[in-house]
Amino acid sequence: GENVEQHPSTLSVQEGDSAVIKCTYSDSASNYFPWYKQELGKGPQLIIDIRSNVGEKKDQRIAVTLNKTAKHFSLHITETQPEDSAVYFCAASRRSSASKIIFGSGTRLSIRP
Amino acid sequence: DGGITQSPKYLFRKEGQNVTLSCEQNLNHDAMYWYRQDPGQGLRLIYYSQIVNDFQKGDIAEGYSVSREKKESFPLTVTSAQKNPTAFYLCASNPSGTSGKRSYNEQFFGPGTRLTVL
Repeated sequence: GENVEQHPSTLSVQEGDSAVIKCTYSDSASNYFPWYKQELGKGPQLIIDIRSNVGEKKDQRIAVTLNKTAKHFSLHITETQPEDSAVYFCAASRRSSASKIIFGSGTRLSIRP
Repeated sequence: DGGITQSPKYLFRKEGQNVTLSCEQNLNHDAMYWYRQDPGQGLRLIYYSQIVNDFQKGDIAEGYSVSREKKESFPLTVTSAQKNPTAFYLCASNPSGTSGKRSYNEQFFGPGTRLTVL
């Protein structure tokens, strides 16, 4: 079946440095790729998403890139801050809401002061 | 405020008991979902509903049941048949189901319920 692989499972970076999380997906019909941030004891929050008609999207310190040919997509966080510490999930889905959204296994990001 | 609410935040259950987790949304979203999250793992889909009075099994439906009698509400019952129910349960909703609106599969999550079986 469809799956999404996410790496690394844990990531520790110095405050102010950049963090990169990578995902690959198996369903070539996927065309919607959201990223979620989950803080301890809370539900995931959508932080950014990208659709297959674009290769890159940026929102302040966060950017996502998509390579449909290689079925890869990545999250980039620049100038990391302590409040960026959380678990991040990537996901992939086909356009219709009748399709399931497949989540990666998550990356625990820690920002060192 | 618009949003998705789940209650209670923490729930304790004795073995052999059924328990129902509440999920309510006032976003006028058609589709609703239930996920299970175990420590250090991703989200696994239990059940989902595209429209009132209709729902489908997800990947791990055994031991769970749902109902969708109202658009705003999608309660999840964890039955005694669920062998390992201790987990964090997340409810989500999506603006478009089968009402004719087309949209990407944007899901918005509630705050979660942590269920512990004693």
